[in-house]
Amino acid sequence: AQTVTQSQPEMSVQEAETVTLSCTYDTSENNYYLFWYKQPPSRQMILVIRQEAYKQQNATENRFSVNFQKAAKSFSLKISDSQLGDTAMYFCAFKRIRDDKIIFGKGTRLHILP
Amino acid sequence: DARVTQTPRHKVTEMGQEVTMRCQPILGHNTVFWYRQTMMQGLELLAYFRNRAPLDDSGMPKDRFSAEMPDATLATLKIQPSEPRDSAVYFCASGLEYGELFFGEGSRLTVL
Repeated sequence: AQTVTQSQPEMSVQEAETVTLSCTYDTSENNYYLFWYKQPPSRQMILVIRQEAYKQQNATENRFSVNFQKAAKSFSLKISDSQLGDTAMYFCAFKRIRDDKIIFGKGTRLHILP
Repeated sequence: DARVTQTPRHKVTEMGQEVTMRCQPILGHNTVFWYRQTMMQGLELLAYFRNRAPLDDSGMPKDRFSAEMPDATLATLKIQPSEPRDSAVYFCASGLEYGELFFGEGSRLTVL
């Protein structure tokens, strides 16, 4: 069975700093998707970034980028120039190509301090 | 602006009462999921549908929970009878088979 592990339950950084959130996963699949979702205090789950396992290039979305290490089964999220609005719970998630289900990690609560 | 719509946003009820949560998925999406979020367990998958057919409800307590999709625009999650341990935020999400999920704003349920 696939599992997703986020080893940092909570983190705090100063505004404008760069922060990296860790995620590891376990699978025997070769093709799959990985996601980072953000859940701000409003509770809405928002997709931050998506990575296809067959792509070697790391995905980026503005200030958000990932470090995808397929062999190590690692998928970390880097937030550059962090902003107060980045304060949220961040979930790492995994999905097999031939499956509909998305498996979520337990989340990392990120606080951006002014 | 396409979005997943869930009702109610908040529900407070007494133990033993029936609770029904509703979800309108994004038009054109063919998969619909129900997740439950608690502090202790995180996000748990309760059930999901593809093309309105239930494919997996193994995460759902069968004796009290039921999930249905009577048509393409409506998914329901019912708890009967409700118990205090059912208190949680329930999310509906929809998507296409090979893509990400789009979540509703969740229904916060409190069972007293």
